[in-house]
Amino acid sequence: ETGVTQSPTHLIKTRGQQVTLRCSSQSGHNTVSWYQQALGQGPQFIFQYYREEENGRGNFPPRFSGLQFPNYSSELNVNALELDDSALYLCASSREGALTDTQYFGPGTRLTVL
Amino acid sequence: QQQVKQSPQSLIVQKGGISIINCAYENTAFDYFPWYQQFPGKGPALLIAIRPDVSEKKEGRFTISFNKSAKQFSLHIMDSQPGDSATYFCAASIGGFQKLVFGTGTRLLVSP
Repeated sequence: ETGVTQSPTHLIKTRGQQVTLRCSSQSGHNTVSWYQQALGQGPQFIFQYYREEENGRGNFPPRFSGLQFPNYSSELNVNALELDDSALYLCASSREGALTDTQYFGPGTRLTVL
Repeated sequence: QQQVKQSPQSLIVQKGGISIINCAYENTAFDYFPWYQQFPGKGPALLIAIRPDVSEKKEGRFTISFNKSAKQFSLHIMDSQPGDSATYFCAASIGGFQKLVFGTGTRLLVSP
């Protein structure tokens, strides 16, 4: 059984650019959630995908968007990057409806916006 | 009502001592309370979790105490070791697979 994987590990972009982050969920998991963790802060919920549709969204603007694919992997897209978007982006997978429906996190993608 | 308040912000404990981290919540709809451990540059790793139908859960050196009436829960790390030095986050959600609301984190340092 493989855990949650994310790519790339690190990314440097300039203000105004667009970025795509990728996540492969843990085997058997059908739900993917994305979180943003600023330095020294707790993770903040961005949105969740279940059955390829957005299933809940946190307080993030529309320039944050996502996709989930039939194999349950997911992408996070951020348009018009701002300096404040610099953070660790975490993907977590879980299995909706399972007895143990805990979210398991990947190692994250460190995004730096210059 | 969505906040989870965590204290202390930082904690220094001697090796072999007990580390205690506290969290409080407002939303009574929360029914799942996990604790995550995070090392620098890594993603949070699930440590232990509890649901409100029990008042305590123990796994090895880690214990969660849960007080439903006070809307508080705490993590106790017994026999703390230098390898436990990390940042600990409490969280809460409605259903374990749903949106997690995290506390602000506690940086634990266990001195040798």
